[in-house]
Amino acid sequence: KQEVTQIPAALSVPEGENLVLNCSFTDSAIYNLQWFRQDPGKGLTSLLLIQSSQREQTSGRLNASLDKSSGRSTLYIAASQPGDSATYLCAVNYAGGTSYGKLTFGQGTILTVHP
Amino acid sequence: ETGVTQSPTHLIKTRGQQVTLRCSSQSGHNTVSWYQQALGQGPQFIFQYYREEENGRGNFPPRFSGLQFPNYSSELNVNALELDDSALYLCASSLGGGTAEKLFFGSGTQLSVL
Repeated sequence: KQEVTQIPAALSVPEGENLVLNCSFTDSAIYNLQWFRQDPGKGLTSLLLIQSSQREQTSGRLNASLDKSSGRSTLYIAASQPGDSATYLCAVNYAGGTSYGKLTFGQGTILTVHP
Repeated sequence: ETGVTQSPTHLIKTRGQQVTLRCSSQSGHNTVSWYQQALGQGPQFIFQYYREEENGRGNFPPRFSGLQFPNYSSELNVNALELDDSALYLCASSLGGGTAEKLFFGSGTQLSVL
């Protein structure tokens, strides 16, 4: 079964700390992997998209890596700020299905950055 | 802002009723996907429409149905509502239906079934 798991479920850090969120997936045959941010009761904001052929993507203070052979991705957030507080979701677009828009999501990591 | 708009933002229904949720895609996007997100869970794929045809479906019963219109806007219809249908319903649009496409999500419709 194609699944996505995120660890930890929740994380609380002081402002300024660097942190890593983890995502694991069960099948290395993927089209891409995407990291999203979700504020309470809101939709999803795409942070980074890593194609199957790529190893990492960077945007500002965010860096995402992809290791297909081990079925892992990490999202690194540098110099965290209270405004980074949100739920972070990892989503995998597994290959082989008929629908290219089918993302399989993890349950998310709830991040709290306190001043 | 992604350019994907959903309506209504909130909705309250009673068990057994029917509901229609609407989604307007980002300009130029011809593919729409719908997801259900229960409280505390990640979104679950319902189905996708590409150029007005269903193009993949998740593990949801037939009472969940959809439409995509020539302008690529979309509807999600749920019949015979159950209490477990209470969730945030998310619409996402993308360009072309290819494998490398990034999905852009709307803000969602929060459905409560009483």
